[in-house]
Parts: sequence; C-alpha cells; structure tokens
Amino acid sequence: EAGVAQSPRYKIIEKRQSVAFWCNPISGHATLYWYQQILGQGPKLLIQFQNNGVVDDSQLPKDRFSAERLKGVDSTLKIQPAKLEDSAVYLCASRTYRLNTEAFFGQGTRLTVV
Amino acid sequence: QQPVQSPQAVILREGEDAVINCSSSKALYSVHWYRQKHGEAPVFLMILLKGGEQKGHEKISASFNEKKQQSSLYLTASQLSYSGTYFCGTSHQGAQKLVFGQGTRLTINP
Repeated sequence: EAGVAQSPRYKIIEKRQSVAFWCNPISGHATLYWYQQILGQGPKLLIQFQNNGVVDDSQLPKDRFSAERLKGVDSTLKIQPAKLEDSAVYLCASRTYRLNTEAFFGQGTRLTVV
Repeated sequence: QQPVQSPQAVILREGEDAVINCSSSKALYSVHWYRQKHGEAPVFLMILLKGGEQKGHEKISASFNEKKQQSSLYLTASQLSYSGTYFCGTSHQGAQKLVFGQGTRLTINP
C-alpha cells in the first residue's frame, strides 16, 4: 500500500512570498490532516478534512493560510504572505473514517522563511 | 485542548525502563502513541480506546486510565532503537480531531 505523499520535501522562500504544499493521502482515506511542527515542539493541528469538507480549522491562521481538498483526495496548503515564524515542517496525515484507526503521516515539507 | 506530556525529556542507559505520561483536561475517547526520530515522520505505535485498555507492542506497552483522563506508555528493557521523541495524540467522543502533546524526548545511551 502506498503511503502519504507530500511535495516538495524542502522549500526556502523570503518573507512576504507565497508558498504551496501538496499532499496525496492513502487511497480511500476520508480524513486528512495538516499539521505544523515547529522545531522541538509537537505537531499542531491546522486543519482537518472529512472527504472534501472542512471539519476543523480553528487553529488555522486564516488571514494568511488556506487549504483545500478538491474531490476529497489530494490537498494543498498555501501560505500567503509568509512570515519568519512560519518556518516549520508541515506534515500531512490521513486516516480512514473509523474512529479506532491510526493516522498515517507523510514525510513532511520543511519550510524555511528567510 | 492539547494533552500534557511528562516528563519532557528522559535519558536512560540501555536496558533501563521508562514511563511517559499523557494527561488531558477533557474526557478522552482514544489515545494514540507515536515515535518520531530526528528528521523523520511520526511512526504509529498503538491506539488505546476508553475502557482502561492496556496494549503491548514488543517491549512497549501502554495503559489508559479513563477516570484520570490519562494514558501511560511503558518502555521495558530499553534498546538503542527506542531513542526518539514520543508523542501522544488524543481524540474525544465522536470526533476524529487528533491533537498532539508537546512530546517527550527519550535518549538511550549504551
């Protein structure tokens, strides 16, 4: 079974520029999460999708971050404009709809804002 | 609400035991345990559901105390490969929202 795919693996941008990350979850997984992990901290949930609908985006800085999951499969996370404090690893995870199942993580995208 | 993990860091010699705790201020439905090595994605260890369940995975096991809203991860006779940061993720009744603690860094020395 193929895992969660993310791209790019690394990205360096200047502050105030925009950036987009892409995630392809495991086939058939209805739930998709985006997490932000700052160095030395735990993953912070930014947004959760169920199919193509947003279930929770309470921690998403909506003035600069946006995310979509068209057709309930692939997802993109965008930052515009980026700030220095956005430097982090952005992790995508997917899961089946059943509550007692594990979440599978992608390798993440390491973003450096300079 | 983010669960609280303790301790924040542990240093052991190979063969020693460790316990990592995860507490929530809100009623728990499930607790997920993951291990993350530097520069890698979190790797799933186990899930515990409410009901005081205990689970095991090789020499790593965990318990779920529903009354205390707490889960504990037990690492027995630790091996060098156990080094990494351990995260607990919690979900509450009827929701798939998965919120992680701040992590516990485990270092195993020879």
